Amino acid sequence: NAGVTQTPKFRVLKTGQSMTLLCAQDMNHEYMYWYRQDPGMGLRLIHYSVGEGTTAKGEVPDGYNVSRLKKQNFLLGLESAAPSQTSVYFCASRRLAGGETQYFGPGTRLLVL
Amino acid sequence: AQKVTQAQTEISVVEKEDVTLDCVYETRDTTYYLFWYKQPPSGELVFLIRRNSFDEQNEISGRYSWNFQKSTSSFNFTITASQVVDSAVYFCALSSREYGNKLVFGAGTILRVKS
Repeated sequence: NAGVTQTPKFRVLKTGQSMTLLCAQDMNHEYMYWYRQDPGMGLRLIHYSVGEGTTAKGEVPDGYNVSRLKKQNFLLGLESAAPSQTSVYFCASRRLAGGETQYFGPGTRLLVL
Repeated sequence: AQKVTQAQTEISVVEKEDVTLDCVYETRDTTYYLFWYKQPPSGELVFLIRRNSFDEQNEISGRYSWNFQKSTSSFNFTITASQVVDSAVYFCALSSREYGNKLVFGAGTILRVKS
């Protein structure tokens, strides 16, 4: 099993450009998450999904949109990238039961110039 | 409120030394889960351990051990006889029903093990 995969691994954008980050998991997990990691701040939750067709805001949702059209995929979109969105983005997934472990993808490095 | 504090920003040790990484958490919930993740220089996040609030037994896995104390709201992580490969950023995290079972991370502790 591949676990959680993320595409692309690295991307450079210019301010105002848009892009979509793709997360895929093959573990049949119900929950999926998008985090950003910035130096000295740990990981902060952007958006999450408790199942196909549902999404919810996390701690830092502004400037991002998400979609979960298929259970195995969770897309993170930046409509108009800003330098403040330069970060490393991690996707994670877990099973339904409370307290279950989240498993993370390898991350996507995004640089917005 | 749900919060995780890792007061040690960075720790440097010499190989074979023991090192303890501190984690203090806050939650009003009585049912919660604590986690440790490792982030090596390659960047991925590796799950190390999960502990629920009803199980205060300490755990040992090889050179790793975890000390969970509800009385002090701490979940500390000790590496015995550290090795260079232990160099990484270590994150402590908390989830509880109070916060919708979402993970809240500490800021992380950078561990540097020198040979």
